[in-house]
Amino acid sequence: QKEVEQDPGPLSVPEGAIVSLNCTYSNSAFQYFMWYRQYSRKGPELLMYTYSSGNKEDGRFTAQVDKSSKYISLFIRDSQPSDSATYLCAMSAGSGYALNFGKGTSLLVTP
Amino acid sequence: EPEVTQTPSHQVTQMGQEVILRCVPISNHLYFYWYRQILGQKVEFLVSFYNNEISEKSEIFDDQFSVERPDGSNFTLKIRSTKLEDSAMYFCASSAGIHNEQFFGPGTRLTVL
Repeated sequence: QKEVEQDPGPLSVPEGAIVSLNCTYSNSAFQYFMWYRQYSRKGPELLMYTYSSGNKEDGRFTAQVDKSSKYISLFIRDSQPSDSATYLCAMSAGSGYALNFGKGTSLLVTP
Repeated sequence: EPEVTQTPSHQVTQMGQEVILRCVPISNHLYFYWYRQILGQKVEFLVSFYNNEISEKSEIFDDQFSVERPDGSNFTLKIRSTKLEDSAMYFCASSAGIHNEQFFGPGTRLTVL
């Protein structure tokens, strides 16, 4: 069983839509959860960083963590064409530890 | 805004040759990491480094790999004898402390022929 599962998509939405991206995981030791955005052939760019369960909001982005279900989500409100990228979830058992990545979901926001 | 930098952006080498990938982490960061991403696959952890020693490494990081912080700014990954399957994007990351986020560099594309 893979530690981190993420639907690769692609996911295509019209501009202005609300986007929901999700990951599931199997390792109950994971406590730190992150979302990165990656443009083609570039490095991952950190979007959201959360610890344990709960919600965190930053501008148009909201991250949710449900540790009881081993499920994390990223919501993007008022999506823009510039949001078109691959979104990677990542998690670790401890801060400073290795990150375990999902395979990434490819998102296309069409004008 | 401070950022992680990596050189070169693209390295082409022959199988069996040694390569050194270079990274300059964000100033004042204390934790350093190398990850790789084979084309079409997920980002995979290789090694973490703190206080001039390896703190964690994955199964991928075998005896062919080594890391070094030769001075106060650079952090390097050496692959002693490259294989075809080492072809990948290699990302360096750094974090300020044990409770901080990891910031990634733009990557070095390694092509082994």
